[in-house]
Amino acid sequence: GAGVSQTPSNKVTEKGKYVELRCDPISGHTALYWYRQSLGQGPEFLIYFQGTGAADDSGLPNDRFFAVRPEGSVSTLKIQRTERGDSAVYLCASSLDPNSPLHFGNGTRLTVT
Amino acid sequence: QKEVEQNSGPLSVPEGAIASLNCTYSDRGSQSFFWYRQYSGKSPELIMSIYSNGDQEDGRFTAQLNKASQYVSLLIRDSQPSDSATYLCAVNYVRVQGAQKLVFGQGTRLTINP
Repeated sequence: GAGVSQTPSNKVTEKGKYVELRCDPISGHTALYWYRQSLGQGPEFLIYFQGTGAADDSGLPNDRFFAVRPEGSVSTLKIQRTERGDSAVYLCASSLDPNSPLHFGNGTRLTVT
Repeated sequence: QKEVEQNSGPLSVPEGAIASLNCTYSDRGSQSFFWYRQYSGKSPELIMSIYSNGDQEDGRFTAQLNKASQYVSLLIRDSQPSDSATYLCAVNYVRVQGAQKLVFGQGTRLTINP
């Protein structure tokens, strides 16, 4: 595709529910990143994939958060037992290789009620 | 101490003037530095990259890097109302060989007044 695609664009869920957020990177980009952005803050690093493997997951806040990229392209961020504090915009980005600039998708706005 | 620090603003600049945005970072080993622009409700958009000390110019934008002082800045000449946005400074912290972890500042909100 022309850019990084994220679905859904908006997700409202109840506290305690499970959600999945999808990211489709730019074709040919090997590196994929997930960030979380709260209002008035810069993006906060969550996890980075190089190919199929998570090269750095140091930003995942706790074990309720998990991400996969089974075929080295599309990635899914999974959040279990959602809490109101998880409400934020979740941004996905991809880059051609680990040293190239990141290109961001439009994000998924998650609201936990 | 935060890894990447920016003044959150808001910074207000008259149209046609030079807007100056500043950023400091804590990791002396960082090698790559970026400025992203983010319009309200939109995703960050890369506008400048800089990798070595000195100035990097692209049109009306100039990025400046001083590694000794751990300082990065962005100058916007001939500011236009369309430049009104939040500007995010991002620093590449290499934790794992061959990987990058891009750490962002909180952003500076810039308003250009007609």
